[in-house]
Amino acid sequence: ILNVEQSPQSLHVQEGDSTNFTCSFPSSNFYALHWYRWETAKSPEALFVMTLNGDEKKKGRISATLNTKEGYSYLYIKGSQPEDSATYLCACPGSARQLTFGSGTQLTVLP
Amino acid sequence: SQTIHQWPATLVQPVGSPLSLECTVEGTSNPNLYWYRQAAGRGLQLLFYSVGIGQISSEVPQNLSASRPQDRQFILSSKKLLLSDSGFYLCAWTLGGTDYGYTFGSGTRLTVV
Repeated sequence: ILNVEQSPQSLHVQEGDSTNFTCSFPSSNFYALHWYRWETAKSPEALFVMTLNGDEKKKGRISATLNTKEGYSYLYIKGSQPEDSATYLCACPGSARQLTFGSGTQLTVLP
Repeated sequence: SQTIHQWPATLVQPVGSPLSLECTVEGTSNPNLYWYRQAAGRGLQLLFYSVGIGQISSEVPQNLSASRPQDRQFILSSKKLLLSDSGFYLCAWTLGGTDYGYTFGSGTRLTVV
């Protein structure tokens, strides 16, 4: 079982602020790093799948970076909006693509 | 397009009763299938995964079992529920390869009373 850790556990920001969270994972036997957004009363939704060291991906105001050598990924949200409020999960797959999830960062964007 | 169906959405069951949760995927073949659970105050925990019909791998010893009787059908079962089985159960699928994210079902909220 992989050890995937996320910080902070929760975060409150004002609308318009930019924010970022961290995911750390084992750098050995690395396959990929996933980011998901999980909104209340919905299912987790895939944001990014990243595989290469130095990868940077972007979707709208959300972007992510990957450092496989040191075992971390950052998720950035620029100009946070109330609709960005959700739990953000990162995960790493094992050999059968079974994902081990971090405990998540719960983001609340205050209007 | 691919879709995933999971039911029921909510379930209240007494301790000691059986359980059957079903998940089906449409629009793809030979998906990898997964059952996850989120217990109260905890993260997503992998329960079972399957890479093919009849192939089940368990991550955590528990009171539950899983079966894959057809290519796109994944069933989570228990013969006798425990209070600790309460939680939010999610089914998910993905294709082989490392570049694909998971697609999750809508989830089942199970309360064992």
